[in-house]
Amino acid sequence: DSGVTQTPKHLITATGQRVTLRCSPRSGDLSVYWYQQSLDQGLQFLIQYYNGEERAKGNILERFSAQQFPDLHSELNLSSLELGDSALYFCASSVQSGNTGELFFGEGSRLTVL
Amino acid sequence: GENVEQHPSTLSVQEGDSAVIKCTYSDSASNYFPWYKQELGKRPQLIIDIRSNVGEKKDQRIAVTLNKTAKHFSLHITETQPEDSAVYFCAARSGNTPLVFGKGTRLSVIA
Repeated sequence: DSGVTQTPKHLITATGQRVTLRCSPRSGDLSVYWYQQSLDQGLQFLIQYYNGEERAKGNILERFSAQQFPDLHSELNLSSLELGDSALYFCASSVQSGNTGELFFGEGSRLTVL
Repeated sequence: GENVEQHPSTLSVQEGDSAVIKCTYSDSASNYFPWYKQELGKRPQLIIDIRSNVGEKKDQRIAVTLNKTAKHFSLHITETQPEDSAVYFCAARSGNTPLVFGKGTRLSVIA
């Protein structure tokens, strides 16, 4: 158990809909990262938050947004969903922003868009 | 930004043989290179990492080498076992930037 909690584990929805994925980082970790894992695409970095503020942005679509709350949990909002958004979405946390330490991943949220 | 290329995409070895996975990176400022293992249906987990001031690091059956001049690093697994079967990801980071991952190598160890 990494200590990072993601909900829901599985989600099936239709095109055009909106979903919210939730992540609770390890106790004491200030940094939260969101990654998207599609077939043959590895782990694509979406966005990072550090202590409530956006720290870095990757290949995140405009239809997607995220935030980190005062209790450090984070939510990833995906709207106007398309078939191609079907993927495994991982949240990871680390103690500090940009340190060379380990990223701890949650179990992921598998999104299926029909 | 950083770009990480990983080869091969799939690798099959006989149990007991060695496996080597190679990665190249583009940003010469990158200074941290971890390797993650993802078993089927599970989350990625760190197995070994190396920093730019070190050329090689070993932990039991796994080792990582780094060639900063050529901007490539490799994972070596010796005496492979069936439980080594998984997808392995290399990654790189410079300074405060988030980790950039390669596309992964699916390793199958055949008993």
